Amino acid sequence: DGGITQSPKYLFRKEGQNVTLSCEQNLNHDAMYWYRQDPGQGLRLIYYSQIVNDFQKGDIAEGYSVSREKKESFPLTVTSAQKNPTAFYLCASSEWGTGKNYGYTFGSGTRLTVV
Amino acid sequence: EDQVTQSPEALRLQEGESSSLNCSYTVSGLRGLFWYRQDPGKGPEFLFTLYSAGEEKEKERLKATLTKKESFLHITAPKPEDSATYLCAVSKSGNTGKLIFGQGTTLQVKP
Repeated sequence: DGGITQSPKYLFRKEGQNVTLSCEQNLNHDAMYWYRQDPGQGLRLIYYSQIVNDFQKGDIAEGYSVSREKKESFPLTVTSAQKNPTAFYLCASSEWGTGKNYGYTFGSGTRLTVV
Repeated sequence: EDQVTQSPEALRLQEGESSSLNCSYTVSGLRGLFWYRQDPGKGPEFLFTLYSAGEEKEKERLKATLTKKESFLHITAPKPEDSATYLCAVSKSGNTGKLIFGQGTTLQVKP
């Protein structure tokens, strides 16, 4: 079945440590996105990528980095510069095309906790 | 500034008690409005896309409608399994593919 796989489901980070969240899709979607979800707030965009080897900052990119070396993969690294990383992280993908309104397919999320 | 606001934040219903969730938006050049359902600890699941004012879509006990300023998600005779957080999002002109999300409405349906 086609879909998006995020791993791990739970992740614990120590102070000063970088961690990487995995996101893989087999939907042949061009665009991929990373969102952060905090209680009582809407989803906030961290980074997005429309094509391989290209990505753009979203609204809250500071302290995060991404890469898009393959169409199927869009890993997110939470660096030590991100001072409040505890949150639920969602990866999504969508088709891409002029004049179209494509919704997202979401992964099941990674819950990151600072210990 | 582009904004999506959902109300109420939380809603408690008895099983069978119909109600509506609201999503109001201010964006320049709406291209689509999306409704998602999210269960605790899981990713959002797609429900509907609406493109133009007057459009309606239905799925089981859910019906989504769209005006020029807001969208409603009507829930008819809800069941406990409809309990979830419902998210509204919009895409705007410019073809960036980005969605702007509201904060969500958490629905609890009691038997």
